[in-house]
Amino acid sequence: GDSVTQMEGPVTLSEEAFLTINCTYTATGYPSLFWYVQYPGEGLQLLLKATKADDKGSNKGFEATYRKETTSFHLEKGSVQVSDSAVYFCAPAGWDNNDMRFGAGTRLTVKP
Amino acid sequence: DAGVIQSPRHEVTEMGQEVTLRCKPISGHNSLFWYRQTMMRGLELLIYFNNNVPIDDSGMPEDRFSAKMPNASFSTLKIQPSEPRDSAVYFCASSLAASGEQFFGPGTRLTVL
Repeated sequence: GDSVTQMEGPVTLSEEAFLTINCTYTATGYPSLFWYVQYPGEGLQLLLKATKADDKGSNKGFEATYRKETTSFHLEKGSVQVSDSAVYFCAPAGWDNNDMRFGAGTRLTVKP
Repeated sequence: DAGVIQSPRHEVTEMGQEVTLRCKPISGHNSLFWYRQTMMRGLELLIYFNNNVPIDDSGMPEDRFSAKMPNASFSTLKIQPSEPRDSAVYFCASSLAASGEQFFGPGTRLTVL
């Protein structure tokens, strides 16, 4: 079945620093790929997604590109803010998009 | 839209007691998911329903756990009897099937003493 490997955290950055959180997946076929974010005390919420190779998902300054050749979907942001402090989850989804496998999560802390 | 509603938000119980967690999905969504989140194991899918029918319950830990979805607007996750190792945050999520975007509730924090 599908699985995902995420960069281990925690990650601590200063405000305005560049962020990369690595994510690679194994899958049979070509799943849709998602990044979810969990703010303290809340449930997960969708951050961005890409449904086919070379697609770039983007939202709130975050971006991730679906790389079929490297089976990766790394999350990037050029300039992080304190409000970006959260746990980030990478997730490939199976053919019906219901069989979603979440990574272990990467905790990001941004300091002023 | 009220979003996914879960109750209770917090539950503290003693080992051996029955626990029932409740979820109301977003109206119109036809897929519903139950997850468990702990520091040690991360986020685990327990079971999901499509059109009220359980599709995959391979993540349900053992027979002490059961889930039902009697109609499109309500689901329960029951643990009987509860054990301290069941302590976790339990999330319910719903989606429009095949859209890929799951909407999570605020979670129920369960503590079993």
